[in-house]
Amino acid sequence: NAGVTQTPKFRILKIGQSMTLQCAQDMNHNYMYWYRQDPGMGLKLIYYSVGAGITDKGEVPNGYNVSRSTTEDFPLRLELAAPSQTSVYFCASSSTQGYNSPLHFGNGTRLTVT
Amino acid sequence: ILNVEQSPQSLHVQEGDSTNFTCSFPSSNFYALHWYRWETAKSPEALFVMTLNGDEKKKGRISATLNTKEGYSYLYIKGSQPEDSATYLCAPRFGNEKLTFGTGTRLTIIP
Repeated sequence: NAGVTQTPKFRILKIGQSMTLQCAQDMNHNYMYWYRQDPGMGLKLIYYSVGAGITDKGEVPNGYNVSRSTTEDFPLRLELAAPSQTSVYFCASSSTQGYNSPLHFGNGTRLTVT
Repeated sequence: ILNVEQSPQSLHVQEGDSTNFTCSFPSSNFYALHWYRWETAKSPEALFVMTLNGDEKKKGRISATLNTKEGYSYLYIKGSQPEDSATYLCAPRFGNEKLTFGTGTRLTIIP
């Protein structure tokens, strides 16, 4: 079982460039999440999805877009990269949105925007 | 914005010693508390999910307690080992809101 797979692991972007962070899970989880981790800050929720075709904003959605065309995949799109988006991004999934379901995290993508 | 505090921010413990740290959160509208262990260069891994006041969970040498009335949870590590070195995150859940993560306690075990 691969769990949650994120690609790429590292990326350097120039200001204004675009990219898509890929996330796939093979656990048939309905719920998927994108978080960012900044130094000294807790994980902040960017977007989440409760199932294929359904997405919603988290705490810090500005500058990002997501789609969920299948249960397995939940890509995160940065359209016009800005230095403020330099961060480590984590994708996660859970079996339900119920409060007793733990999150399963991917290994993260370290993004630098210069 | 929900205030989740973890203390201390960092901790150095001699191998073999026991230790504990705290997660504090607003007690109103509480649903559940998650604890995650996050090793350097890896991804967070779930330790416990706790929902009931007075709940106590145990996994090997690690245990956690929950007080929902006063809004805190303790994580205990008995007989610390070098492999316990990690950042420990707590994340309470309130109402229909998503998890709110604390900034973590960074634990370093000194051999």
